[in-house]
Amino acid sequence: DIVMTQSPLSLSVTPGEPASISCRSSQNLLHSTGYNYLHWCLQKPGQSPQLLISLGSNRASGVPDRFSGSGSGTDFTLKISRVEAEDVGVYYCMQALQTPFTFGQGTRLEIK
Amino acid sequence: EVQLVETGGGLIQPGGSLRLSCAASGFTVNSYYMSWVRQAPGKGLKWVSVIYTGGSTSYADSVKGRFTISRDNSENTVYLQMNSLRDEDTAVYYCARGYVDVWGRGTTVTVSS
Repeated sequence: DIVMTQSPLSLSVTPGEPASISCRSSQNLLHSTGYNYLHWCLQKPGQSPQLLISLGSNRASGVPDRFSGSGSGTDFTLKISRVEAEDVGVYYCMQALQTPFTFGQGTRLEIK
Repeated sequence: EVQLVETGGGLIQPGGSLRLSCAASGFTVNSYYMSWVRQAPGKGLKWVSVIYTGGSTSYADSVKGRFTISRDNSENTVYLQMNSLRDEDTAVYYCARGYVDVWGRGTTVTVSS
């Protein structure tokens, strides 16, 4: 199975400041199509998860442009350029290259 | 509106069975691969199963042989038949479309005597 490792596991950020979450996979997620099968989701308190970034760097519909995804192969990063209060929750990376699909442990973001 | 609605959860004794449903609207389920993902109380997300557009399926080792994913194109619904339920299957079960771009609100399964 592909193991997904996120860091940090928790993050406390002042509004307006940037934030960054790292996700590393135990295997290369770059498919022959040229896409990295790595997605980022956010689960806000009391809500279902929602997609933020698909295929490593494609912002989902309706997601603010302060969110960006980068990386390739085994190392990926989710960046929030300016954190807002509504960004609180748990962020997960997920690989969908091969089954079993696997998630990272989650990174909890709180506002200072 | 694109939407997924899960139903069928409940309280069930160990060893029992439940069938979860994931009704889709705004798109056809046979045009996307569809996954079930679960979240135990206070824990992270765990992938459970997927059904691909061609009908092939895959399962997490923890549910293989006990859970069966299926799809009814006429009902535009994906199912998860869960047999031989165990305490550790207690979780909120979500269905998700394709690149997990659409999630339902989840249905809660509690396995307890």
